Amino acid sequence: DGGITQSPKYLFRKEGQNVTLSCEQNLNHDAMYWYRQDPGQGLRLIYYSQIVNDFQKGDIAEGYSVSREKKESFPLTVTSAQKNPTAFYLCASSIDPKTVNYGYTFGSGTRLTVV
Amino acid sequence: KNQVEQSPQSLIILEGKNCTLQCNYTVSPFSNLRWYKQDTGRGPVSLTIMTFSENTKSNGRYTATLDADTKQSSLHITASQLSDSASYICVVSAGVRSSARQLTFGSGTQLTVLP
Repeated sequence: DGGITQSPKYLFRKEGQNVTLSCEQNLNHDAMYWYRQDPGQGLRLIYYSQIVNDFQKGDIAEGYSVSREKKESFPLTVTSAQKNPTAFYLCASSIDPKTVNYGYTFGSGTRLTVV
Repeated sequence: KNQVEQSPQSLIILEGKNCTLQCNYTVSPFSNLRWYKQDTGRGPVSLTIMTFSENTKSNGRYTATLDADTKQSSLHITASQLSDSASYICVVSAGVRSSARQLTFGSGTQLTVLP
């Protein structure tokens, strides 16, 4: 079945540690996105990539980094510079980077907790 | 600033009853409006997408309406089931050929269906 796979489902980070969240899709979608979801708030865009080897900052990119070396993969690294990383992270993809009106598919999310 | 407001924040109903969720937006220029269903600990799943010219769209027991003049949308759930318990998120897209930066997410309505 085609879809987006996020791993791990749960992740624990110690203070000062970098962690990487995985996002893989087999939908042949060109564009991929990372969102952060906090209780009582709408999803906020962290980074997005429209083509391989290219990505742009979203509204809350500070403390995060990404790479897009393959069309299928868009990993997100939460660095120690992100002071409040505890949140639910969602990866998404769409078939046409200029027309996100349709074909916007989400992964099942990774819950990151600072311990 | 583009905004999407959803009401109520939470709603509890008995199985078999109907309910209506509201979404008001101030997004310009309007492109389309989507409703998503998000089960706890999972990614959002699309229910409906409506463009400016569409007033209503159904997906099984879910019916969305759009009034572009008053900038309001509603999601009506008929004959609710326990599996309808979830967060329902309204998302509005701005621009003719939207990018991820032009999506505005509401904070969601948490629906609980009791037996």
